[in-house]
Formats: sequence, C-alpha cells, structure tokens
Amino acid sequence: GEDVEQSLFLSVREGDSSVINCTYTDSSSTYLYWYKQEPGAGLQLLTYIFSNMDMKQDQRLTVLLNKKDKHLSLRIADTQTGDSAIYFCAETNTGFQKLVFGTGTRLLVSP
Amino acid sequence: EPEVTQTPSHQVTQMGQEVILRCVPISNHLYFYWYRQILGQKVEFLVSFYNNEISEKSEIFDDQFSVERPDGSNFTLKIRSTKLEDSAMYFCASSDAGVRSNQPQHFGDGTRLSIL
Repeated sequence: GEDVEQSLFLSVREGDSSVINCTYTDSSSTYLYWYKQEPGAGLQLLTYIFSNMDMKQDQRLTVLLNKKDKHLSLRIADTQTGDSAIYFCAETNTGFQKLVFGTGTRLLVSP
Repeated sequence: EPEVTQTPSHQVTQMGQEVILRCVPISNHLYFYWYRQILGQKVEFLVSFYNNEISEKSEIFDDQFSVERPDGSNFTLKIRSTKLEDSAMYFCASSDAGVRSNQPQHFGDGTRLSIL
C-alpha cells in the first residue's frame, strides 16, 4: 500500500533556512500537501503541489517535487521561532478521497 | 477565515461505553472526513462522507464505528463499545469538492479521546 516517510526531527537557528524532506511510494500520487501542527492544535494546511509541477513558491515556503525519485521537500526561508511545530507531508490520488500522512517532522527553531 | 470546529476538545470515557464526537464542518463544504492519530503514530484515515453516505472507509472503520450528518451543520463519529486502543486524537476535516478537483481538506483542532 501507500507509504509516506519523513525524518523525525530537525533543529535550526532562527534566520536560517529549514528543509523538511518526505518520500512516498505511491506512483499514482496526484497531489502532495504540507500541513503544520502546533502544540494542542489541529492540522493547518500550508501548501500543496500537483504532481505535474516540480516547484511551487508561496512567500517563505518553497515546495520541490522530484516525481522520478518520489521525493518532496518543504523549504522555509528565514525560519522564525514561531515556525516551531510538527510538519506533515501527505499525499492523495484521484482514485481515493483519503490523505495518506507521513510520520511528521518536528521542527525546533532556536533563537 | 471559516474553520472546522470539533467538540469536545477532550473526552474521557469508560471502556465499553459509547462515545459521540462532534464536528461542524465549514459551511459550504460537501465532503467530510474523520482521521485519527494514536499517540506517537501517523495520522490515519478513517472515513469520508459525501451526499449523505460513506464514500470511502479504511480497514480501521469497522462495525464499531458509524458516522452521521444529523442536520445541516453537524457531522458526528460514533464509537460503540469503546476499547482501550480507541484512545487517540480524532480529527474531523472537510472540503468543498473531492480529490479530483483538488480542493484541500481543512482540519479541526481534534478531540482527544481517552478510554479508561
């Protein structure tokens, strides 16, 4: 079945760039998403990319997609302490309604 | 900005009891979903609901679970005869169209269910 994997933890200094990586197995993946979860809160949609794109930029966020390697990354420029959270990669395809989530990457931003 | 709201934020229930988790999706949305996250594990899909019926469900969503849209605003998840392993965070989500139209799913803050 489908599987989505992420590294568990990333620590950066304020002002640096953060890069969170994700790999997936479903070659039928159509849409790939990044969600952010702050402590005690729900899943906030950050951005998404269609599988026929290889890059999408949205303010400080850049999503890169390598469909051949089934690799997705989220780059956060000028990372702030408020960016500290868990970041989830998720994928879906047109055959199904469900999202398949990765394990989540805990980003810690230190001053 | 419109949001998905879930109540209660925390539910404590004795094993064997029935529990109902409530969600108010975004008002013009047509697709509704439940997911769960057991502590330390991935967020897992349970069920999707459209046009007053289940459109997709996972293996987790067995006869113990049911969903309902009792009126024009609420979407509920009922768990009958709860077990210890049902303890998890349950997330409701909604979208205004299905996956084919790439309308992203918007999530609530979740209900933490603790079974004693």
